[in-house]
Amino acid sequence: NAGVTQTPKFQVLKTGQSMTLQCAQDMNHNSMYWYRQDPGMGLRLIYYSASEGTTDKGEVPNGYNVSRLNKREFSLRLESAAPSQTSVYFCASSPRSLNSPLHFGNGTRLTVT
Amino acid sequence: KQEVTQIPAALSVPEGENLVLNCSFTDSAIYNLQWFRQDPGKGLTSLLLIQSSQREQTSGRLNASLDKSSGRSTLYIAASQPGDSATYLCAVRNPVNYNTDKLIFGTGTRLQVFP
Repeated sequence: NAGVTQTPKFQVLKTGQSMTLQCAQDMNHNSMYWYRQDPGMGLRLIYYSASEGTTDKGEVPNGYNVSRLNKREFSLRLESAAPSQTSVYFCASSPRSLNSPLHFGNGTRLTVT
Repeated sequence: KQEVTQIPAALSVPEGENLVLNCSFTDSAIYNLQWFRQDPGKGLTSLLLIQSSQREQTSGRLNASLDKSSGRSTLYIAASQPGDSATYLCAVRNPVNYNTDKLIFGTGTRLQVFP
């Protein structure tokens, strides 16, 4: 039972480089989310997708783009990485019901130098 | 704007103690509140979800309560064990409108249970 799978687990980028963080879930969930976690800041929502084909900005979307490729996959792209984007990134999913818990992946630890 | 606060930021207790973790939120118009556990280097695992119409939820040694009117939730851990050592986060779900929803997280309480 894989749940939510994120790749890669670790990544180091130079300022200005681009990369895509991958996320896939096998629970047939409608909603998917990207969060970043920084010390003392808690988790902050970057983007979310309420269903296949839709995406919406969260609290901190600047510098990121997302693609809901299909129901299973939701990717996060950094077009031109900046040191301020050094963080741990978490993907999560949930059924469409508002009263359903979120299921998280194990995160991608990104360092931008 | 909804804000979620967890105090204390860190807690260290001896094994066997019963303990309470606190979570407070500023806007009482919530759909639900969730408690999560995060182990170092790992993602979050959902522990308990309390709907806005509920007062508490229990799972094993864990009991979470919700008082919407005062903007508070507590997570009670009975007979703590070293394996309970982790960071505990609470999060409230606030619908922005009918078609969207957001989860607002606190910064967590880091719990250490020593033998």
